[in-house]
Amino acid sequence: EAGVAQSPRYKIIEKRQSVAFWCNPISGHATLYWYQQILGQGPKLLIQFQNNGVVDDSQLPKDRFSAERLKGVDSTLKIQPAKLEDSAVYLCASSLVGFSAGHTYEQYFGPGTRLTVT
Amino acid sequence: QKEVEQNSGPLSVPEGAIASLNCTYSDRVSQSFFWYRQYSGKSPELIMSIYSNGDKEDGRFTAQLNKASQYVSLLIRDSQPSDSATYLCAVPHYPNTDKLIFGTGTRLQVFP
Repeated sequence: EAGVAQSPRYKIIEKRQSVAFWCNPISGHATLYWYQQILGQGPKLLIQFQNNGVVDDSQLPKDRFSAERLKGVDSTLKIQPAKLEDSAVYLCASSLVGFSAGHTYEQYFGPGTRLTVT
Repeated sequence: QKEVEQNSGPLSVPEGAIASLNCTYSDRVSQSFFWYRQYSGKSPELIMSIYSNGDKEDGRFTAQLNKASQYVSLLIRDSQPSDSATYLCAVPHYPNTDKLIFGTGTRLQVFP
């Protein structure tokens, strides 16, 4: 079974430029997550989709970050304009379903995109 | 108090020893707990999930959960140099129980 795919793997941009990341979840997984991981910290959830609807985007800096999941499969995360503090690894994860019957399903991560903003 | 707390380490153990990694969490209603392994420069890899009090074993890994003490641990038996990585504890954040809150991770070093 193919895992979560992400591209690009690395990106270097200057501040105030824009950048987009792409994610393809594990086949059949309804729930998709975007996390930001800053060096030395654990991943932080930015946005969660259930099929093509947003479930949680409470920690997404909406003045500069946007995300979409068209047709409930692939997703893109965009940053515009980028700031120096956006330098991080952006991780996409997916799970079969979300929370159900008292059970939180396992989330599987893609390889991530390492963003450097100069 | 942080929602999920881990000792950042590094925890250094000799090859063949048992490595014990600990995690405490603040939300008493949490029902699911996850351990991820993250090698340097790589993404987190799920290694264990535990939902009930007690122990869960998978190969050389044992997860231990004590909900009353709000404590979950990961034991790695017969530690190998290839186990050297950062181990992340993750706990759901209620009421959105799909939202995992991660600790900062414990760096494990296994020396020959």
